[in-house]
Amino acid sequence: GAVVSQHPSRVICKSGTSVKIECRSLDFQATTMFWYRQFPKQSLMLMATSNEGSKATYEQGVEKDKFLINHASLTLSTLTVTSAHPEDSSFYICSAREGEGSGNTIYFGEGSWLTVV
Amino acid sequence: AQTVTQSQPEMSVQEAETVTLSCTYDTSESNYYLFWYKQPPSRQMILVIRQEAYKQQNATENRFSVNFQKAAKSFSLKISDSQLGDTAMYFCAFMKHGGGADGLTFGKGTHLIIQP
Repeated sequence: GAVVSQHPSRVICKSGTSVKIECRSLDFQATTMFWYRQFPKQSLMLMATSNEGSKATYEQGVEKDKFLINHASLTLSTLTVTSAHPEDSSFYICSAREGEGSGNTIYFGEGSWLTVV
Repeated sequence: AQTVTQSQPEMSVQEAETVTLSCTYDTSESNYYLFWYKQPPSRQMILVIRQEAYKQQNATENRFSVNFQKAAKSFSLKISDSQLGDTAMYFCAFMKHGGGADGLTFGKGTHLIIQP
């Protein structure tokens, strides 16, 4: 089946710095990718929808200037957490849709643990 | 907007037993997809089963089957002959048909524990 790769799986950064997380669709083109955040023992919360070649669509309450999303190609979307603070520490997961004509199957990356110290 | 409700925060059954996880949803859409995802301790989201709303027949994948009641907006997951490896968080999810910019809407999840 289709594979979505997310990198890094774990990252620790200092407060005030920025960190980038990559999401790649390895064997299919993804015009749309999604970024979720998951707090401990909670469900996945959709942060934003990443559209290739256009601006991301952010969910209400998500700061677009803090969580920068870039979808530069059909196989890569990146999430950059800018000026990170300890409260940004969380598990971030991306997913990608395998095209409109394939039944709208969505595949998930392995997730990235972000710890801000 | 869609909402997905999972009313069972945690369930525990003995190995080899059958267990049913409940899920209800609310939507004004007439056509959509429903999913069950499994999230083991590794945190990898694994698709267990999916159902197209326009199909009356309940989806089945080996030991996993659903009871889809469209009028009642109910989508329960039945796991037969449960195994220790089934221990995980299970999330019910909704997605509008047609895709586009809409992602998945998840329920809060059910923590399923299979006891040896």
